[in-house]
Amino acid sequence: TQLLEQSPQFLSIQEGENLTVYCNSSSVFSSLQWYRQEPGEGPVLLVTVVTGGEVKKLKRLTFQFGDARKDSSLHITAAQPGDTGLYLCAGVFLSGNYQLIWGAGTKLIIKP
Amino acid sequence: DTEVTQTPKHLVMGMTNKKSLKCEQHMGHRAMYWYKQKAKKPPELMFVYSYEKLSINESVPSRFSPECPNSSLLNLHLHALQPEDSALYLCASSQPSGRLYNEQFFGPGTRLTVL
Repeated sequence: TQLLEQSPQFLSIQEGENLTVYCNSSSVFSSLQWYRQEPGEGPVLLVTVVTGGEVKKLKRLTFQFGDARKDSSLHITAAQPGDTGLYLCAGVFLSGNYQLIWGAGTKLIIKP
Repeated sequence: DTEVTQTPKHLVMGMTNKKSLKCEQHMGHRAMYWYKQKAKKPPELMFVYSYEKLSINESVPSRFSPECPNSSLLNLHLHALQPEDSALYLCASSQPSGRLYNEQFFGPGTRLTVL
């Protein structure tokens, strides 16, 4: 069974602080995506990473893909209350059936 | 148009009712998905349609019946549901499932409550 571990599951920090969310597996991903979801809404795709060592930036969000393509991280700089939400990583495993395997999610609360 | 739409937004039904959830996309995607999501959990895959044909059924009970009338539409027919089926039902679309990226675009979901 191919598993995708996401941590932490819950994070509550003050506005202006930095944070990192991690997504790890023992298997190689062909690609990995990060989504953000607000209550009662569908997940919104933030970024897709494909190449080992890849770094992508989306304003204050920085996404990294591990060199071995087995892990990824999301770093938020100077978090804002508008960053509050559920962050989900989802990967396509190289030896899988091309379907997304989801992490458990990180519930992020940014307090003003 | 980069949007996936779902109707209704909310649905309350009894265990003997028959209802349908609808999903529509106009992004030219040829793969469409139904997911079930419980509170504070990631989405759980239910069904995948690729080129209007059912390609994956994740052992979903027969009280859920999917239908893909054409490349833009996806329905989920509900009959004799149980209270534990209450959840957010999400529709998504992507390029066909053979691609390794599988970037999925989600609708806003239907919040289903079964009484």
